[in-house]
Amino acid sequence: GQNIDQPTEMTATEGAIVQINCTYQTSGFNGLFWYQQHAGEAPTFLSYNVLDGLEEKGRFSSFLSRSKGYSYLLLKELQMKDSASYLCAVRGGADGLTFGKGTHLIIQP
Amino acid sequence: GAVVSQHPSRVICKSGTSVKIECRSLDFQATTMFWYRQFPKKSLMLMATSNEGSKATYEQGVEKDKFLINHASLTLSTLTVTSAHPEDSSFYICSASSSRDSTEAFFGQGTRLTVV
Repeated sequence: GQNIDQPTEMTATEGAIVQINCTYQTSGFNGLFWYQQHAGEAPTFLSYNVLDGLEEKGRFSSFLSRSKGYSYLLLKELQMKDSASYLCAVRGGADGLTFGKGTHLIIQP
Repeated sequence: GAVVSQHPSRVICKSGTSVKIECRSLDFQATTMFWYRQFPKKSLMLMATSNEGSKATYEQGVEKDKFLINHASLTLSTLTVTSAHPEDSSFYICSASSSRDSTEAFFGQGTRLTVV
């Protein structure tokens, strides 16, 4: 089976840094994805990790530890527009993605 | 990035009618398309995986006779919600990839279905 856990909600301050954690237990592993989703819109791709380590892309970084079944998404220099839900998703043995429930990130001035 | 177009973006239908949602990959050939469903404040749930020219693979608990998926070409997949009921009201999203090892799933814009 697939199980993906991430915090339901987080609050952070504009200009600060926030880390969103994701833990997973899946029957197979073929990559972990992070998506950003604004209310009523489709998710947009942020990052993909399949090997252990840190992937950096501008203000966003994602880390993966396969042995620990753990990933995090790091957002730097937070902006108000970063207020959104952040979805952790794992591609297991099957082709489709299994999504976590998403972390609702609230950015305060 | 690649573009996936989903249509319609919103649809309201009467209970008992059928609704078809289209998902097109505009600038690449999508060998595999995925259909997801999302209830308010819930995460996306994979409904089915479709490969061009073959029958879709449905996730456990998804009624294949109610949610008909056709992937007749490398650029088009359709989801038809048959005999819709109010509990089918949801946000339906498709995604497409060009290969089994694609590192990115390109999403359509989503379809908000309301059954009245």
